[in-house]
This record gives sequence, structure tokens and C-alpha cells, in this order.
Amino acid sequence: DAKTTQPTSMDCAEGRAANLPCNHSTISGNEYVYWYRQIHSQGPQYIIHGLKNNETNEMASLIITEDRKSSTLILPHATLRDTAVYYCIASPLGQGGKLIFGQGTELSVKP
Amino acid sequence: NAGVMQNPRHLVRRRGQEARLRCSPMKGHSHVYWYRQLPEEGLKFMVYLQKENIIDESGMPKERFSAEFPKEGPSILRIQQVVRGDSAAYFCASSPQGWTETQYFGPGTRLLVL
Repeated sequence: DAKTTQPTSMDCAEGRAANLPCNHSTISGNEYVYWYRQIHSQGPQYIIHGLKNNETNEMASLIITEDRKSSTLILPHATLRDTAVYYCIASPLGQGGKLIFGQGTELSVKP
Repeated sequence: NAGVMQNPRHLVRRRGQEARLRCSPMKGHSHVYWYRQLPEEGLKFMVYLQKENIIDESGMPKERFSAEFPKEGPSILRIQQVVRGDSAAYFCASSPQGWTETQYFGPGTRLLVL
């Protein structure tokens, strides 16, 4: 699985967009980019995933660069409840198997 | 549709006892994964199972740990002769059969070894 690099921590004002970057320069062609978050030691929560195209769901948007070496998770209107550790993971889809979690980005949403 | 269920949510054991952690996957899911999160550390993969089969146990400690996912009933992670270093949060995830393999996590079991 490709290694990902994320900033250790970020702050965001409540109501503003939170943009969380992730570098995955060694990602291979069959690896998807997954985002999960973990709120205060709860179970990790799936957010979104994508391969090449940008993706959007009810929680977030995922922007993947054309060369696929980096991506950005966007929470359009961050709330205090979005305070969590966010994990970016590159993993092959359709093959099952383990997710390799790094240290993630600790996002603090402030009033 | 109920999510992944784990029980117990909290488990206290004395050194040398056995711990049994249970995981019921989401309805329709036949793939189960176990992860461990030691205090102040990240999540680490332990084992991946399908019904009645262990697919990948590369993250399982060589001794005292075992996992099963029987044809009927929940998946069980069993830790024999627990030691203080086993104190951690244990998370189970499940994914549906077929092409989509997104894993959905349960709330975890917090194991404390005294």
C-alpha cells in the first residue's frame, strides 16, 4: 500500500471550509484514496473514497490531482462536531485486505 | 440497517485471564477485519476473515491471540493469558461481499488488563 503524508494538526473556524491535504506520491494505479475520521476514540468513520475523479457525498468532497500524487478532503461548512483525527489511506479496492492507518491530521474546529 | 456491533464495549481482566471480544458485522457483510489501537497510538491491522476462513493474519501476535468467524454467529477475537500490554481498544470492521470493499467500523471494545 502507498504511504501517505498528512500534516499533524490543523485548525478551522466553525462554519468555514476545512481543507485537509494528503500526499501519496507513490500511489499505484489500482489504489484508491480513502478518508476516514476518528472522533475522540470512537470507531473510525468512513467519509469518502475515490480513484481518479473528484467525488462528493453528503459529508465531504474529495479532490484528487490529475497525477494522483496528492488529494484534498473538503468539509464545506465545518462544525464543532467535525473535530477529529482524519486519516488518508491509499488502498486497492476490490481486493479486500487491511487498511494501513498513519498518524492522521488532528482537526480542531473552533467557535 | 444496524451498523457493526461489538460487545462488550468495556472489558476488565486480570493478568492471566482470557478475553473474548465479539463482533457482529453489518447485515449482508461477510468480511470482517480486526484492528487494535494501543493508548496514544494509531490503529493497526490484526486479521482479516471471511466466513469460516482466515484470509490474512499478518498483524496478529504469534502467541495467545486467535480469531474466528464461524458460519453462524459473530466473529470472535480471543486473547489467552492476557498481559498488561494487551490493554487497548479493539475495533472490528466489516465489508460487503463483492466488488465494493469499503470497511465500516464498530464502536470498539476497550480492554483493560489489571
